[in-house]
Amino acid sequence: EPEVTQTPSHQVTQMGQEVILRCVPISNHLYFYWYRQILGQKVEFLVSFYNNEISEKSEIFDDQFSVERPDGSNFTLKIRSTKLEDSAMYFCASRKRLQETQYFGPGTRLLVL
Amino acid sequence: ILNVEQSPQSLHVQEGDSTNFTCSFPSSNFYALHWYRWETAKSPEALFVMTLNGDEKKKGRISATLNTKEGYSYLYIKGSQPEDSATYLCASHGSGNTGKLIFGQGTTLQVKP
Repeated sequence: EPEVTQTPSHQVTQMGQEVILRCVPISNHLYFYWYRQILGQKVEFLVSFYNNEISEKSEIFDDQFSVERPDGSNFTLKIRSTKLEDSAMYFCASRKRLQETQYFGPGTRLLVL
Repeated sequence: ILNVEQSPQSLHVQEGDSTNFTCSFPSSNFYALHWYRWETAKSPEALFVMTLNGDEKKKGRISATLNTKEGYSYLYIKGSQPEDSATYLCASHGSGNTGKLIFGQGTTLQVKP
C-alpha cells in the first residue's frame, strides 16, 4: 500500500542553523500539508500546499519557514534559522481529494539545542 | 477558530473490556471529522472520515458515530486487545477549501493483558 515517507527520522541541530525536512507524499495526491507536535501539546497545522503554491498557512508559519515541491515528488519544509521552540515532531501529510482521508508520514523529530 | 477536545486524556482497561472515547468539535462550519490511531514511531493510521450527521462507521472491532448538530463523535472499541494500545486522535476539517485538520489532544489507551 502506498505511504507517505519522511527523512530524516531524527535531527539534532544548533540554534540558528537551517534545517530541511523532507517528505515524499503518495504519488497521485494533490494536496500536501505540514503539521507539528510540540511535546505534550496538540498536533498543530503549519501549512497547506496545492497546485504548486501555499493555499493556507498558520500564524506559526512565519518568514523563517518555507515549503517547496521542487521535482514533483519531494515536498520539503525549510526552517531558515532554528529556535529552541522549533523543537517538535514534524509530520507531512497528503491527500488526493479534499473530502478523502489525509495520509500522514511517520514524522521527523527535530531537536534544537 | 476551531477548538477540538477529546476525553478522557488517558484510559487503562483490561483485555476484553469494551471502551469508548469522545471528541467534541464546533458544529458550525463543519465539513468532516477524522479519526486516527497513532502508535509511537509510526505514522498516524487513518481509521475513519465522517461527514454526515448520524454517520456510523465500522472497521473490525472499532466503530464511530457522528453528531454534527451537537458537535461530537464517539469512538468505540469492542473487546479491547493489547494491540489496540495507542493514542487515538480526532481532527475536524472545516469548510475552508484547504483541507487543514484541527486536532484534539488525543486519548491514550493502554490495554492490559
